[in-house]
Amino acid sequence: DGGITQSPKYLFRKEGQNVTLSCEQNLNHDAMYWYRQDPGQGLRLIYYSQIVNDFQKGDIAEGYSVSREKKESFPLTVTSAQKNPTAFYLCASSRWQGPTETQYFGPGTRLLVL
Amino acid sequence: AQSVSQHNHHVILSEAASLELGCNYSYGGTVNLFWYVQYPGQHLQLLLKYFSGDPLVKGIKGFEAEFIKSKFSFNLRKPSVQWSDTAEYFCAVKTAGSQGNLIFGKGTKLSVKP
Repeated sequence: DGGITQSPKYLFRKEGQNVTLSCEQNLNHDAMYWYRQDPGQGLRLIYYSQIVNDFQKGDIAEGYSVSREKKESFPLTVTSAQKNPTAFYLCASSRWQGPTETQYFGPGTRLLVL
Repeated sequence: AQSVSQHNHHVILSEAASLELGCNYSYGGTVNLFWYVQYPGQHLQLLLKYFSGDPLVKGIKGFEAEFIKSKFSFNLRKPSVQWSDTAEYFCAVKTAGSQGNLIFGKGTKLSVKP
């Protein structure tokens, strides 16, 4: 069954703690993305990666870090520097970043701060 | 900076009513346009997309959207809504200036009363 999986579905973070959100895709897509969704704010881009071992900051990268060691995986770490981490995090992927690129989304991870 | 505006935050309709959700973007060059839908408890799904050609595009579940270049608009329409259309709808734009990344509107919540 092809698609994008994100885990866990819910994640709780304590103050000062780093947490890592998983995103895996078996669609053989080249590009992967992380977005943050807040109520009434739409989706905002955190980081994106077009190829393995390369990634770029999005609009709200501060307090986050990523890695892209494998084509199918793009984990996101929410660091203690992110002062307002409570949000819904969405991972997306696409085949290429050309004119007809279309992004497909995973089910999301909801992060809550204890 | 490029932006996407969705005029209505929350729309409430009765079943069988017609729907039109507004979307305007601020970019004068070539754009690719998307509507995504997020049903309660589900992940973000592609509803329809426009790259070029016929400005009237048809998507899944009876939805359509019209690209009007002169108005920088890409409004979503459905002639007769159903209770199952209750969801949040997001307009997104990809431009040459956004490094290939999607810029999302803030979303419109649609509630359909049975």
